[in-house]
Amino acid sequence: LAKTTQPISMDSYEGQEVNITCSHNNIATNDYITWYQQFPSQGPRFIIQGYKTKVTNEVASLFIPADRKSSTLSLPRVSLSDTAVYYCLVGGYKAAGNKLTFGGGTRVLVKP
Amino acid sequence: DAGITQSPRHKVTETGTPVTLRCHQTENHRYMYWYRQDPGHGLRLIHYSYGVKDTDKGEVSDGYSVSRSKTEDFLLTLESATSSQTSVYFCAITGRQETQYFGPGTRLLVL
Repeated sequence: LAKTTQPISMDSYEGQEVNITCSHNNIATNDYITWYQQFPSQGPRFIIQGYKTKVTNEVASLFIPADRKSSTLSLPRVSLSDTAVYYCLVGGYKAAGNKLTFGGGTRVLVKP
Repeated sequence: DAGITQSPRHKVTETGTPVTLRCHQTENHRYMYWYRQDPGHGLRLIHYSYGVKDTDKGEVSDGYSVSRSKTEDFLLTLESATSSQTSVYFCAITGRQETQYFGPGTRLLVL
């Protein structure tokens, strides 16, 4: 599974847009990019998944450039409740066992 | 979410004691997983299952065994608990969009 690199932490303020960039230089052709969110004392929660270009849902947007060696999770107008750890994962969509490899994640702190 | 429950939610045990954690799902998903989460390590896969009686090892499987005799239940056993197995344990299933959905976690303290 491709290794990912993302910032350890980021601070933001309520109402701002937060962008978290993840590097995955060794991404394979059949790999998808998935982001999870984790609050303290809870399991990770799926946010968004994409393969290329841009994906948007009710929670976030995911931007993937043409070379797919990085991706950016965008959280619009964050609130205090968006304070969490965000994980970027890269893997095959239907890879054997659908196994995931979590890195250290990015700890986002939203301040009032 | 995705009908996943874990039991117990908290447990304190002593070194050398066997411990079994249970993951139960209500939606007939084929794939189930056990992870542990420790500070500074993110989540690490212990074992996973791709069907009844079909299991395989993850990256940190030493000291752990699993069993899946029914689709809905995936058991994680620590044969002889050690202090290094103090951790938070998460169960997950692969659901729609081939993404994983996680249970609420079990906090285990081995004294």
